[in-house]
Amino acid sequence: EVQLVESGGGLVQPGGSLRLSCAASRFTFSNYAMSWVRQAPGKGLEWVSVISGSGGNTYFADSVKGRFTISRDNSKNTLYLQMNSLRAEDTAVYYCAKSYSSGSYSAFDYWGQGTLVTVSS
Amino acid sequence: DIQMTQSPSSLSASVGDRVTITCRASQSISRWLAWYQQKPGKAPKLLIYQASNLESWVPSRFSGSGSGTEFTLTISSLQPDDFATYYCQQYNSYPRTFGQGTKVEIK
Repeated sequence: EVQLVESGGGLVQPGGSLRLSCAASRFTFSNYAMSWVRQAPGKGLEWVSVISGSGGNTYFADSVKGRFTISRDNSKNTLYLQMNSLRAEDTAVYYCAKSYSSGSYSAFDYWGQGTLVTVSS
Repeated sequence: DIQMTQSPSSLSASVGDRVTITCRASQSISRWLAWYQQKPGKAPKLLIYQASNLESWVPSRFSGSGSGTEFTLTISSLQPDDFATYYCQQYNSYPRTFGQGTKVEIK
């Protein structure tokens, strides 16, 4: 079965940076867009960013635009989220999620277990 | 941005009850709507995509319907394993947006 394993979370000071990784396996990684979705403690789900299978197209939520960068290394089957200028409101569990189809319209059929990012001094 | 509004935000129900959750989009999203189930401390799981298509693991007591701006998730006979939080999500356009969630609790 598809496996997604996030890493890189932790405690960081406001204004700091962190890079999350998501190691993917058991599917053809380069065929699918991948997203990051986050969930603040006790809150709902918020989509953060998506990158196309080739890596050529990306989109971001307004709340992270200009501060976060998404990338992927298809040779390593790994997705990344570079988070800069972190704020307290970025505190959340960050999930990577796989699109279920290779088309433009796709929900998320597999999710990682999540990695917690805490922004605090 | 497309806003997704779920109702109710929470509900209490008994095993065997029929449960309906509504999700409204602020503009038409055709049928590009998904439902997810999330249990405490766990990642969400895809239940339904394209408004009414059940994932392979989903029991037939779950169903989804709707198009345009109004959608429903129905559980025909609530089972103990169904107590969870349910989210709708539109994937018609970016940014992708989720409803605020509906927590289904035991009565």
